[in-house]
Amino acid sequence: AQKVTQAQTEISVVEKEDVTLDCVYETRDTTYYLFWYKQPPSGELVFLIRRNSFDEQNEISGRYSWNFQKSTSSFNFTITASQVVDSAVYFCALRGATNKLIFGTGTLLAVQP
Amino acid sequence: GAGVSQSPSNKVTEKGKDVELRCDPISGHTALYWYRQSLGQGLEFLIYFQGNSAPDKSGLPSDRFSAERTGGSVSTLTIQRTQQEDSAVYLCASSLTVAGGATNEKLFFGSGTQLSVL
Repeated sequence: AQKVTQAQTEISVVEKEDVTLDCVYETRDTTYYLFWYKQPPSGELVFLIRRNSFDEQNEISGRYSWNFQKSTSSFNFTITASQVVDSAVYFCALRGATNKLIFGTGTLLAVQP
Repeated sequence: GAGVSQSPSNKVTEKGKDVELRCDPISGHTALYWYRQSLGQGLEFLIYFQGNSAPDKSGLPSDRFSAERTGGSVSTLTIQRTQQEDSAVYLCASSLTVAGGATNEKLFFGSGTQLSVL
């Protein structure tokens, strides 16, 4: 069975703080892909990143960075120097051999000015 | 259009009525997904279409739910005898299929249909 757990339901930070969103996954597939999506108040989901199970290199894109650790089945997402525009619901997702994309329950991030 | 289009954007119906939700994927995208997002919940997988293969219906919550994809393009999600617990946002997404049949990682989502069952 595949499962994605985002234990943090809501996080509130003040602008310019760093924030890490946690994601823990379960799968028996040896090849799988992990994703992060952003859902701003407008509602439409926006793709942020994909990692495959064979590539544990961390990735940085501007203020965003991702830490993939197979040993702990985690794929955490850090926003550095958060901004009000980062306020959104962030979803972690997993796709295994079946191509079915399974989402976590999401973390609502509120960045206060 | 350039993106995934869903209609209607809002649907209010009475309990027991049937509803049809439509999704127009991005042209050329062979993979199409339906998800349901209830208030305070994550995205619940419903069904997945990939080209001419049999759809993965494992997420459909009951036999009141069905979906079709005609001509490999437009998809319709039908809910029969709607119940109040069916109230949710129904999201459609599409993606390309890359060589070897795998689905491209990038799903493009529509803006969803907000279904309210009174």
